[in-house]
Amino acid sequence: GAVVSQHPSRVICKSGTSVKIECRSLDFQATTMFWYRQFPKKSLMLMATSNEGSKATYEQGVEKDKFLINHASLTLSTLTVTSAHPEDSSFYICSASQQTESPLHFGNGTRLTVT
Amino acid sequence: AQSVSQHNHHVILSEAASLELGCNYSYGGTVNLFWYVQYPGQHLQLLLKYFSGDPLVKGIKGFEAEFIKSKFSFNLRKPSVQWSDTAEYFCAVNARNTDKLIFGTGTRLQVFP
Repeated sequence: GAVVSQHPSRVICKSGTSVKIECRSLDFQATTMFWYRQFPKKSLMLMATSNEGSKATYEQGVEKDKFLINHASLTLSTLTVTSAHPEDSSFYICSASQQTESPLHFGNGTRLTVT
Repeated sequence: AQSVSQHNHHVILSEAASLELGCNYSYGGTVNLFWYVQYPGQHLQLLLKYFSGDPLVKGIKGFEAEFIKSKFSFNLRKPSVQWSDTAEYFCAVNARNTDKLIFGTGTRLQVFP
């Protein structure tokens, strides 16, 4: 079945540095990928919709200058957390679908810890 | 704007007990409905989905859900739970013709042997 790979699975960085998270669709092309953030004991919050070849669409309240999204190819989207702060520590999950209205496939997530 | 409510935040059951997790959504248009499961330490997996047709949908591992349009509900059920069903369950909705998925807050299910 369709697989979405996310890398790294875990990253620890110092406050003020930037971290890049990759999301790849391994056996299908995804014109659209989604980035979610999961807070402890809370639901997944949609951060942005990543569109191949164009700018990402951010949800209300998400800082686009802080969470940079690049969807340069049909199989790769990246999320860069710039100038990370401890409050950015969270679990970030990407997802993609093979076609519109097909169920989303999720990556394994990335646990970001900012010290 | 769309929203999804899951009223049961934490459910504790013994094996063989029946399960029903509530899910209500708020959206004026046509929607697709999903239940996802996240086992400890694993990624989200699709349990079942409703796009159209029979409002009673069956998913993997003996789960089923019923779409009741008049109640804007999509409750998840399983007649007899197992210890291995211990996980976090998320209801999710997207508007028809989009992939933008909105999740409920999740329900943590613990099943004791």
